Amino acid sequence: NAGVTQTPKFRILKIGQSMTLQCTQDMNHNYMYWYRQDPGMGLKLIYYSVGAGITDKGEVPNGYNVSRSTTEDFPLRLELAAPSQTSVYFCASRGGGSWPQHFGDGTRLSIL
Amino acid sequence: AQTVTQSQPEMSVQEAETVTLSCTYDTSESDYYLFWYKQPPSRQMILVIRQEAYKQQNATENRFSVNFQKAAKSFSLKISDSQLGDAAMYFCAYRSDRGATNKLIFGTGTLLAVQP
Repeated sequence: NAGVTQTPKFRILKIGQSMTLQCTQDMNHNYMYWYRQDPGMGLKLIYYSVGAGITDKGEVPNGYNVSRSTTEDFPLRLELAAPSQTSVYFCASRGGGSWPQHFGDGTRLSIL
Repeated sequence: AQTVTQSQPEMSVQEAETVTLSCTYDTSESDYYLFWYKQPPSRQMILVIRQEAYKQQNATENRFSVNFQKAAKSFSLKISDSQLGDAAMYFCAYRSDRGATNKLIFGTGTLLAVQP
């Protein structure tokens, strides 16, 4: 059981480039989340999804887009990379009720 | 809006000793969940323990236990018989039981060092 899988693990981008961070889960969870973690801080919610075809903004959505065409996949898109988006990105998923969130291993992204 | 505060940026404990990490939160809700996550240098987010607010009994998981004081909005983590592998960043997190998001709200973390 792989859980939540994120790719890539590391990436360096130039300012203005675009990329997609991939996230897939094999637990048939309806809820999926994208967080970012800046140095010395806790995680902040970027976007979330409560099921296929349904997404909504979190606390820090600017500069990002998401889609949820299947239950398994929840990619995060950066269209015009900026230095302020240098961070570690975590994807998480959760089943219903009181179940906790399961996290992927994170993607370390540097924008230079 | 809910907030989570961890007032100890760093803590240190001797191997085999006990350490308590503090967490306070602010909410007007009565139904919610609280969590402690461990983040070792590998960067993984590992669930350590969770507490449902409606339960008066404090949660325990092997060497990890919590002191949940609902009226005081306090949720501390006690690690007994500390081991070198416990060295990590520890995050306290809150999750509402209402609304569609059910997002986690994190504190800023406590970096725990374990001295041999």
